[in-house]
Amino acid sequence: DTEVTQTPKHLVMGMTNKKSLKCEQHMGHRAMYWYKQKAKKPPELMFVYSYEKLSINESVPSRFSPECPNSSLLNLHLHALQPEDSALYLCASSQVGDRNTEAFFGQGTRLTVV
Amino acid sequence: GDSVTQMEGPVTLSEEAFLTINCTYTATGYPSLFWYVQYPGEGLQLLLKATKADDKGSNKGFEATYRKETTSFHLEKGSVQVSDSAVYFCALFRRGKLIFGQGTTLQVKP
Repeated sequence: DTEVTQTPKHLVMGMTNKKSLKCEQHMGHRAMYWYKQKAKKPPELMFVYSYEKLSINESVPSRFSPECPNSSLLNLHLHALQPEDSALYLCASSQVGDRNTEAFFGQGTRLTVV
Repeated sequence: GDSVTQMEGPVTLSEEAFLTINCTYTATGYPSLFWYVQYPGEGLQLLLKATKADDKGSNKGFEATYRKETTSFHLEKGSVQVSDSAVYFCALFRRGKLIFGQGTTLQVKP
């Protein structure tokens, strides 16, 4: 099983709403990632969790709040977003470490903020 | 800092043509190198990888060789199909992060 599952696939939310994106993997990976991708651009790293602890935060605004409740799950809590936050949000997982490490991506959640 | 540079697209080819997408990187040491593919409306799929100098990654007819002397990892395929139309990203893995190139859009016409 090399699958990373993200839900929901599509989400439309207002600027005052609170919503959450979910990500799950069962590959035994202990590193999990959130990326944001705008149209025709490469993914931009937002957060990295390593052994369920936040290890990298790429200066992401506090309206995005990540959570890693266990080694298989990763959430991204959204609150008071702006229209410019509309994007494809990708979750990924990998083994921890730089050598021979490959990241597996989910299909993404396409978020529209209205 | 670490970075990846890809040739600009879009690249438009006829079916069965030969494909090369150039990728060069800047990094100290020997980072692992990857090619990912993104089909319209989907997430990223790992296409191939190489973890050390002179390694050749291959998958689905695509190949790329890790060239330390030229800091390159060019993607090649001998005969493209319409179904290969997608965006291709070159990437390196360093200090817990995947660093992507800008992506190259490939369009294959029948």
